[in-house]
This record gives sequence, C-alpha cells and structure tokens, in this order.
Amino acid sequence: KNEVEQSPQNLTAQEGEFITINCSYSVGISALHWLQQHPGGGIVSLFMLSSGKKKHGRLIATINIQEKHSSLHITASHPRDSAVYICAFVSDQGAQKLVFGQGTRLTINP
Amino acid sequence: NAGVMQNPRHLVRRRGQEARLRCSPMKGHSHVYWYRQLPEEGLKFMVYLQKENIIDESGMPKERFSAEFPKEGPSILRIQQVVRGDSAAYFCASSRDRDWQPQHFGDGTRLSIL
Repeated sequence: KNEVEQSPQNLTAQEGEFITINCSYSVGISALHWLQQHPGGGIVSLFMLSSGKKKHGRLIATINIQEKHSSLHITASHPRDSAVYICAFVSDQGAQKLVFGQGTRLTINP
Repeated sequence: NAGVMQNPRHLVRRRGQEARLRCSPMKGHSHVYWYRQLPEEGLKFMVYLQKENIIDESGMPKERFSAEFPKEGPSILRIQQVVRGDSAAYFCASSRDRDWQPQHFGDGTRLSIL
C-alpha cells in the first residue's frame, strides 16, 4: 500500500465548477505540500501545510492531522487550472525528503 | 520556478554514454534535492545534499548514479553507462535550511536514451 493515496486519479469538469482533490496518508508527517505540474513543464509549490487551512486566490488547502487527510479545492475553475496536482509529505521521522502521491490529472473544459 | 535553474532542459544520450544534469539552487539555499519522474509514474526521491555533503541517498540506484554539491558551483547528478530505463524527467529542488522549508523546484531535465 502506498504511503500516500490521491483521489480521484483523473477529473474532468466544466469551467466554473468547484473542484476537490483528496489526499490520504498513512504515516506521521511534519508537513504536507500541494504541487502543480503542467504538461511538459516544471513543478510549482502551491501550499505547504502542517495544520488547518490555507487560501491563495481561488485555491484552498485543508489538512486534518488526526484523520491523516488533506484536500485541495479550486473555486470557479478555469481551463488554465488544467494540470496534474500532486500531494507530498515530509515524514516526522527526520528524513527531509518529500514522499509523493501519484497525482490527480485535472482537465477543465470551457 | 525562476529561482532553481536546471540545465539542460532536454538531454539525449545513447546507451552506454554518460549523462550530467546540473542544478543551481535558489540564492541563499544550501540544501538540494533530486527527484526522478519515470514515464507515467509519480515523483520519487533520489538524493538530498548540502554543500559538500550527501545527507540522504536512500533513493539513489546503487550503481551508475552519483550526485555531488561542491562548495562552488551547481549540484551535479551523474548517470554513467545510461540505459533505456534511465529515460525520465529529473527534477531538482532547493530549500534554505533543513527544517521542512518549502522546497522550490526547477523546471526539470528530460533525459531521453536512444
């Protein structure tokens, strides 16, 4: 079993829809990251969370440490939001390295 | 991504050749991480370095792969005697210090083995 699972693997929606991507992990963590990867492109760090909720523009990330679960929400989705969204965590065992989920491929149709 | 510079963006090598991938961290960052993304797979940690030190190489293949981060100059990921299975995107990230700082990623090097 992977230490981090994302759902759904693929998501297609219409412009304007509210999007939720989920991430569950099975180990203790010190931080969780949400990353965005465009096709053929680099990786952009969207959020780093250790508790609670963060908001940046139309993006919202939440984390529940007790339930080992995080969500990424996109409000008023737009075709330019189409990308792969990846959650990744840093273990609380001292290893300073990211462990990645498989990613969620999001496609927003106009 | 402008801060972390990786080059080349694309690298083509024939089987048996050597590949050298370079990563210049963001200004003021002394911690460098290399990750590999195989085709249709997720990202996997390879190695974590500080200046002149390898801190964690638990994700590095035991043979043919090596990494360094010298006192001066970029971090280098070196793959000797490349094979088709080495074809992947290799990403570098950097952070200011150890304590789970946000990691800033480069645009990656796409390595293709003919």
